[in-house]
Amino acid sequence: QEQVVESGGGVVQPGRSLRLSCEASGFTFRSYGMHWIRQAPGKGLEWVAGIWYDETNKYYADSVKGRFTISKDNSRNTLYLQMNSLRVDDTAVYRCARGRGAQLISYFDSWGLGTLVTVS
Amino acid sequence: EIVMTQSPATLSVSPGERVTLSCRASQSLSTDLAWYQQNPGQPPRLLIYGASTRATGIPARFTGSGSGTEFTLTISSLQSEDFAVYYCQGYHNWPPWTFGQGTKVEMK
Repeated sequence: QEQVVESGGGVVQPGRSLRLSCEASGFTFRSYGMHWIRQAPGKGLEWVAGIWYDETNKYYADSVKGRFTISKDNSRNTLYLQMNSLRVDDTAVYRCARGRGAQLISYFDSWGLGTLVTVS
Repeated sequence: EIVMTQSPATLSVSPGERVTLSCRASQSLSTDLAWYQQNPGQPPRLLIYGASTRATGIPARFTGSGSGTEFTLTISSLQSEDFAVYYCQGYHNWPPWTFGQGTKVEMK
């Protein structure tokens, strides 16, 4: 069963850091691009960061560029999001999602339940 | 950045009705468009990709159509489990990957 499970969320003060993890199972993790997508309480979906299957390319939303870093450990089947200089408006449920389509990164076919990050 | 605009914001319908949701892109996407369904407290579920291809396990009552800048998701006969929020997402030119603001389908 293909699955991704996020962890690492919590309550953090503005300006502090947090690292999220996303553990994948049931599929060949090293073959897929992966993304982080967040959803503020009661709001819509906002793409945050994406990474190619082999980490050769990484992409960030303007709202997090320079503060967040996405990485992928194919030996551990785990995706990470290092979040520094957190702001109140970073408060959201953060979900990882598997990429599909062109470059296996274009749209998102498997999502985790998410982990809540509260900056306060 | 391509801006995705969905309409209407909310749709009040009864079970069994036919439902049509719209999504407009600020630039041509060709057919690089996906639709997602999200129930409360759940992650989004991929319904449609390539504007019209149903994802694995998606019932035939869900139909996607359109190309360029205008897209439609049609639910032929709304079931109780279809009351949810629906998002469109364009992926023709990335980054960034952009979503519409969502259409909530609620019970009349």
